[in-house]
Amino acid sequence: EPEVTQTPSHQVTQMGQEVILRCVPISNHLYFYWYRQILGQKVEFLVSFYNNEISEKSEIFDDQFSVERPDGSNFTLKIRSTKLEDSAMYFCATWQAGGDTQYFGPGTRLTVL
Amino acid sequence: DAKTTQPPSMDCAEGRAANLPCNHSTISGNEYVYWYRQIHSQGPQYIIHGLKNNETNEMASLIITEDRKSSTLILPHATLRDTAVYYCIVPRSARQLTFGSGTQLTVLP
Repeated sequence: EPEVTQTPSHQVTQMGQEVILRCVPISNHLYFYWYRQILGQKVEFLVSFYNNEISEKSEIFDDQFSVERPDGSNFTLKIRSTKLEDSAMYFCATWQAGGDTQYFGPGTRLTVL
Repeated sequence: DAKTTQPPSMDCAEGRAANLPCNHSTISGNEYVYWYRQIHSQGPQYIIHGLKNNETNEMASLIITEDRKSSTLILPHATLRDTAVYYCIVPRSARQLTFGSGTQLTVLP
């Protein structure tokens, strides 16, 4: 069964540094999403992306965040200047147009020191 | 998204059926009910979804009441690996999911 993959599985960074989280979507899926989950809290929607542009974004997704699909396969989330409160699990999800559900990747654990 | 209400936790004996309830009294006529689960901080996993008819797949069954204001997810023979947080979601769109706190299901040996 096709799966969404994410790299790295764990990223440790210093506050103020830039990080890029990567996702490889399922090949024929055209809608892409990022969610995050702070330890012990709910899964929160960050952003959706379709046709090379952001479709929807939440209040969390401020100017420090950006997404792109640089090479037609990877889907990336960049945090420009990390804060301590950005420490969380970040999940990528993809959805096939006309499909029934989103498929989630295993997540990247981001730790900001 | 329509608001959903789930019990915070439930226990179930291994091998028995786990019945997880969800209230969604503000659901609209064309909104689906989705169930996902999350095993220990892994990515959420899709289980099943339905509109108004009962649905069954290899993982679970979904029973939706006739007025559609509530539903029950049934895991027919729970195993220890089914221990997870189960989320009932009624999304405005399949393109954006809003996760609540869910139900922590613990399957006991």
